[in-house]
Amino acid sequence: GESVGLHLPTLSVQEGDNSIINCAYSNSASDYFIWYKQESGKGPQFIIDIRSNMDKRQGQRVTVLLNKTVKHLSLQIAATQPGDSAVYFCAENFYSGGYQKVTFGTGTKLQVIP
Amino acid sequence: NAGVTQTPKFRVLKTGQSMTLLCAQDMNHEYMYWYRQDPGMGLRLIHYSVGEGTTAKGEVPDGYNVSRLKKQNFLLGLESAAPSQTSVYFCASSPPGRATNEKLFFGSGTQLSVL
Repeated sequence: GESVGLHLPTLSVQEGDNSIINCAYSNSASDYFIWYKQESGKGPQFIIDIRSNMDKRQGQRVTVLLNKTVKHLSLQIAATQPGDSAVYFCAENFYSGGYQKVTFGTGTKLQVIP
Repeated sequence: NAGVTQTPKFRVLKTGQSMTLLCAQDMNHEYMYWYRQDPGMGLRLIHYSVGEGTTAKGEVPDGYNVSRLKKQNFLLGLESAAPSQTSVYFCASSPPGRATNEKLFFGSGTQLSVL
């Protein structure tokens, strides 16, 4: 899972296997969560989001799970493909002073082995 | 639809030089943001704007200034560059409020090196 520090956690998976990327968030007031994918040399790209009144949301090949009790978020990628190789960030959103605040995790690098 | 466009893509500065990073979005978004990305530290918010003519400080604002004279543009300025400002800079935009999708749309980044 994600952590603060100089080392980017890396997850290596075989093509076709399922991937699970974990994230611990910090603010119990956060009510909206997003997973972003960042390919090398590009900006982060939205993958999937979930609100705090849900514990699971599914997209195309991706599922996000939210456990508010332990402040944990996970991203599951089914049948991982080489094009899924990237750094994945979670982000927590909360409102402060009338505006949306976003805090990003440090990221997990996913390497897909062909 | 170009989305969020950043210029330049790469820049090398000497310590003490100044420069401006340009960000433009064509999605009519109210909110715009400048982030920096450093290894192992995730994205950190420098400054943001919730509308034309308004700006606010983020998490790491020191050494940077911003301006939002037009809704579609958000400029990030470095008045006197320092080696600690070597980083990749990302601009992002989003529509406002709980009633709309709050996801961020990012540009492709500017790699800045300060020698």
